[in-house]
Amino acid sequence: DQQVKQNSPSLSVQEGRISILNCDYTNSMFDYFLWYKKYPAEGPTFLISISSIKDKNEDGRFTVFLNKSAKHLSLHIVPSQPGDSAVYFCAASGQANAGGTSYGKLTFGQGTILTVHP
Amino acid sequence: DGGITQSPKYLFRKEGQNVTLSCEQNLNHDAMYWYRQDPGQGLRLIYYSQIVNDFQKGDIAEGYSVSREKKESFPLTVTSAQKNPTAFYLCASSIVQANVLTFGAGSRLTVL
Repeated sequence: DQQVKQNSPSLSVQEGRISILNCDYTNSMFDYFLWYKKYPAEGPTFLISISSIKDKNEDGRFTVFLNKSAKHLSLHIVPSQPGDSAVYFCAASGQANAGGTSYGKLTFGQGTILTVHP
Repeated sequence: DGGITQSPKYLFRKEGQNVTLSCEQNLNHDAMYWYRQDPGQGLRLIYYSQIVNDFQKGDIAEGYSVSREKKESFPLTVTSAQKNPTAFYLCASSIVQANVLTFGAGSRLTVL
């Protein structure tokens, strides 16, 4: 049962335009969401995150939007650059219990391959 | 430079053999994790450890074992009981009670 889904396996965008990557989740207990970027043969690197108490978080060219009622989040990259070409994973974390053991236990989507053409 | 070192980068194993993947971090992080990535799938949690000498099973722990004798080290053993061991294995670490993980470069295991 895939609790976090990225339904678009790939996305192709022209340099300078906006890239929009989407992610849907089913578990309403998720309260923290992250985006990771991964180049081939490397580990994922953290990009941006958002807590469920917010609906938007911005960091430079990257903005993450969260729609809790729709259980949907998206990552916007503006403007897109060729160096942004990578696999993007969204991930979610559940509500921490008293022991705090849900921290770091991330549920990942399948990833979306972004290609930005010069 | 602080980071996570995974070795070996590539590993081939015959069926029925155990293999141990190394993970070392010098970030002074208390928590460490092992994830597995298969083609077309997201990363799945195998084991995690919040503190030395303690670890818990993740979502797909069957056929794997770990140890956490030192803060810096969290080796993963893929045993012969793991039915589909061919995958890309990623080690990660974090400060305690944090969701942002730092990942290593990964180890690709192929069973022949």
